[in-house]
Amino acid sequence: DGGITQSPKYLFRKEGQNVTLSCEQNLNHDAMYWYRQDPGQGLRLIYYSQIVNDFQKGDIAEGYSVSREKKESFPLTVTSAQKNPTAFYLCASSIERGGGYTFGSGTRLTVV
Amino acid sequence: GESVGLHLPTLSVQEGDNSIINCAYSNSASDYFIWYKQESGKGPQFIIDIRSNMDKRQGQRVTVLLNKTVKHLSLQIAATQPGDSAVYFCAEGGAGSYQLTFGKGTKLSVIP
Repeated sequence: DGGITQSPKYLFRKEGQNVTLSCEQNLNHDAMYWYRQDPGQGLRLIYYSQIVNDFQKGDIAEGYSVSREKKESFPLTVTSAQKNPTAFYLCASSIERGGGYTFGSGTRLTVV
Repeated sequence: GESVGLHLPTLSVQEGDNSIINCAYSNSASDYFIWYKQESGKGPQFIIDIRSNMDKRQGQRVTVLLNKTVKHLSLQIAATQPGDSAVYFCAEGGAGSYQLTFGKGTKLSVIP
């Protein structure tokens, strides 16, 4: 079945560490996105990519980095520069302009 | 409705009743609208969408109404069931753009 897969489901990070969240899709979607969701909050856009080898900052890109070397993959690195990384991270993809997103199941990141 | 701080607007309904969740959107140029359902700890799931050339669209037990004059979107759920308990949020998109703008969400609680 086609879909979008995020891993791991739960991730723990020590202070000062970088961690990478995986997002893979087999929907042949051009665009991919990373969102952060805090309790009781809406979705905030971190980064997005409309095509391979190109990506743009969203509203809260500071402390995060991404790459888009393959159409199927859009990993997100949470760097030590992100001071408050504990959150639920959602990856999404879309096939067309003016259309909806397909979301992954999310990764819950906790700083320990 | 809009969220304030960490608290989402909450709608409590009795099982079997109809639910109406409202959303005000901001961009009069938006021509695509979508509703998502998000259960706790999971990624958002597509419910129903509508384009601006329509004012009503029906799915299975759900109806979306669009009022472009006042920039208002609503989701109606018929015969609400306990499995409908979740956070519901709307999103708007514009012609030619990949990106969606998300509302903050409304928490629906179904009383058995």
